[in-house]
Amino acid sequence: QKEVEQNSGPLSVPEGAIASLNCTYSDRGSQSFFWYRQYSGKSPELIMSIYSNGDKEDGRFTAQLNKASQYVSLLIRDSQPSDSATYLCAVNLAYSGAGSYQLTFGKGTKLSVIP
Amino acid sequence: DAGVTQSPTHLIKTRGQQVTLRCSPKSGHDTVSWYQQALGQGPQFIFQYYEEEERQRGNFPDRFSGHQFPNYSSELNVNALLLGDSALYLCASSSITGTLAREQYFGPGTRLTVT
Repeated sequence: QKEVEQNSGPLSVPEGAIASLNCTYSDRGSQSFFWYRQYSGKSPELIMSIYSNGDKEDGRFTAQLNKASQYVSLLIRDSQPSDSATYLCAVNLAYSGAGSYQLTFGKGTKLSVIP
Repeated sequence: DAGVTQSPTHLIKTRGQQVTLRCSPKSGHDTVSWYQQALGQGPQFIFQYYEEEERQRGNFPDRFSGHQFPNYSSELNVNALLLGDSALYLCASSSITGTLAREQYFGPGTRLTVT
């Protein structure tokens, strides 16, 4: 069973629309969840972190966490062509041990925002 | 505020050779993690250093070793290079304490090509 799963895409949305990116994880006890954005040829950039059930908003980005369903998502409102990138979901899985800071990543979802 | 820096940017080595990659963490951070990212994949955790000691290690062979210096900078060493070691090597820095302790920030990466 894969530990962190994402739909690889590509996900195409028109400019101005809402992009919805999804991620599931295998370890129910996991506590820390992150979304990174990675432009082609560049390194991942942290855009959101979420630790509690519910929604967390930061500008055009909203992260949603449902620990009971082992599901975390990222919504991008008013999508812009500059949002076109690969979005990586990362989880600090509980199995990696108390006090662990090891991140387990999904393969990423490629987002294309069409002008 | 200086971000995470890595050197070199690109490196080409021959099978069987040894390589050393370097990382300086973000100002105020004391923990360095190393990840390997193959093309089309999410980053994979190699190991993490804090207080000059390896705190945690991922599923990588002993050919991968590291070091952390008193100024928190770190090195990743890979011996007996294989073609499969070709990847983007990412350094991530974080702070072991504080409310944002689990957030990791990546450097620009070192692109290693093994021929």
